[in-house]
Amino acid sequence: NAGVTQTPKFRVLKTGQSMTLLCAQDMNHEYMYWYRQDPGMGLRLIHYSVGEGTTAKGEVPDGYNVSRLKKQNFLLGLESAAPSQTSVYFCASSPAVYEQYFGPGTRLTVT
Amino acid sequence: DAKTTQPTSMDCAEGRAANLPCNHSTISGNEYVYWYRQIHSQGPQYIIHGLKNNETNEMASLIITEDRKSSTLILPHATLRDTAVYYCIVLLYNQGGKLIFGQGTELSVKP
Repeated sequence: NAGVTQTPKFRVLKTGQSMTLLCAQDMNHEYMYWYRQDPGMGLRLIHYSVGEGTTAKGEVPDGYNVSRLKKQNFLLGLESAAPSQTSVYFCASSPAVYEQYFGPGTRLTVT
Repeated sequence: DAKTTQPTSMDCAEGRAANLPCNHSTISGNEYVYWYRQIHSQGPQYIIHGLKNNETNEMASLIITEDRKSSTLILPHATLRDTAVYYCIVLLYNQGGKLIFGQGTELSVKP
């Protein structure tokens, strides 16, 4: 099993550009999450999904959209990137509400 | 959600037990205590969780006080690879697994 994978690993965007981050899991988990981590801080939840076709807002959802069209994939979109969105983005999945499995992260820089 | 308080940093000698404390004085009766850790630049890793009773797994032990206002994560024989930031998180079962990360404790295991 690959576990949780994230694409891309690194990306540099210019202000106003858009992009989509892909999270994929091969563990048949129902729950999936997107977090961001700024330097020296803990992770903050952006959006999450409790099943295929469902999404919900987390702590810091503004400026992001998500979709869960397939159970194994959870996409995070930035429609118009801003420098404040420079961060490391982590995806996680979980079979229930206990143990979350995290991906390796995507390092995004917006100039 | 109950908030948690952890020391900012701790040191531990290699081979000794590492005891990481966490205060959660406002925890409610149906909130669980979770521990995760994050090794530099990687995604967080689940360690253990508990409700009332002490718990042990292959990674660590979790000791929860009788009044549930504090807990201690114990790594019985710390190694250099246990150097990481350790997060204590309190979570309701039915909140869709929405982890709220604080600052955590930076544990340095020294030879």
